[in-house]
Amino acid sequence: GDSVTQMEGPVTLSEEAFLTINCTYTATGYPSLFWYVQYPGEGLQLLLKATKADDKGSNKGFEATYRKETTSFHLEKGSVQVSDSAVYFCALLNQAGTALIFGKGTTLSVSS
Amino acid sequence: DAGVTQSPTHLIKTRGQHVTLRCSPISGHKSVSWYQQVLGQGPQFIFQYYEKEERGRGNFPDRFSARQFPNYSSELNVNALLLGDSALYLCASSRGTEAYNEQFFGPGTRLTVL
Repeated sequence: GDSVTQMEGPVTLSEEAFLTINCTYTATGYPSLFWYVQYPGEGLQLLLKATKADDKGSNKGFEATYRKETTSFHLEKGSVQVSDSAVYFCALLNQAGTALIFGKGTTLSVSS
Repeated sequence: DAGVTQSPTHLIKTRGQHVTLRCSPISGHKSVSWYQQVLGQGPQFIFQYYEKEERGRGNFPDRFSARQFPNYSSELNVNALLLGDSALYLCASSRGTEAYNEQFFGPGTRLTVL
C-alpha cells in the first residue's frame, strides 16, 4: 500500500542554518505530495504542495521538489529561524483522493 | 472566517465506554475527514465524508463509525474503548474531494482512555 518515509528527528539547528528533511514515498501512480507543519499547541497547517512531477512547492522560505525518479519530496530552507521550530509531516494523497497518508513526522528545534 | 472547530478539546474515558467527537467544517466546505494521531506518530486516516456519504474508510475496526449531517458537520463515534484508542483525533474539511482541494485541519480532540 501507499506509504511515506521521512527522516527521524529530532533535528537540532542553530538560527540561520540550512535545513533539509528527507521524504520518500511509495505509491501507485503519481500522487500529490504535501508538507504539513504542526507548531506546539496548534493544529496541522499545510506548508506547501506539489501535484505533478518536477513541480516545486514553496512557502515561507521553504521549498520541496517532486522527484518521480527518486520518489522523493525533500523539504529545504536556506536559513531557519527560531520560529520554525515545529513538527514537520510529509504526506501524499492516495489514488482515490480520499485520504492523506502521513509520515511519522520530524521534530525541528532551532536555537538562537 | 472561523476555521474548523472540534469539541470537546479534551476527554477522559474508561475502557469499554463509548465516545462521540464533533466537528464543524469551514463554511462552504462539504467534505469532512477524520484522522487519529497517536503520540509521536503521523495522523492516520479513519473516514472521509462528502455530502453525507462515506467516500473513504481507513484500516480501523468497526468500533469506529461516523456520520455527516445536512449542515456538513460530522460526528465520530468510538464504541468499546480500548487503551490504544488514546490519541489526538483530528478533523479536516475541504470544499470537495478533488485532489486540488486543500484539507484544513482543526485543533483536535485529545482522548485519554484509562
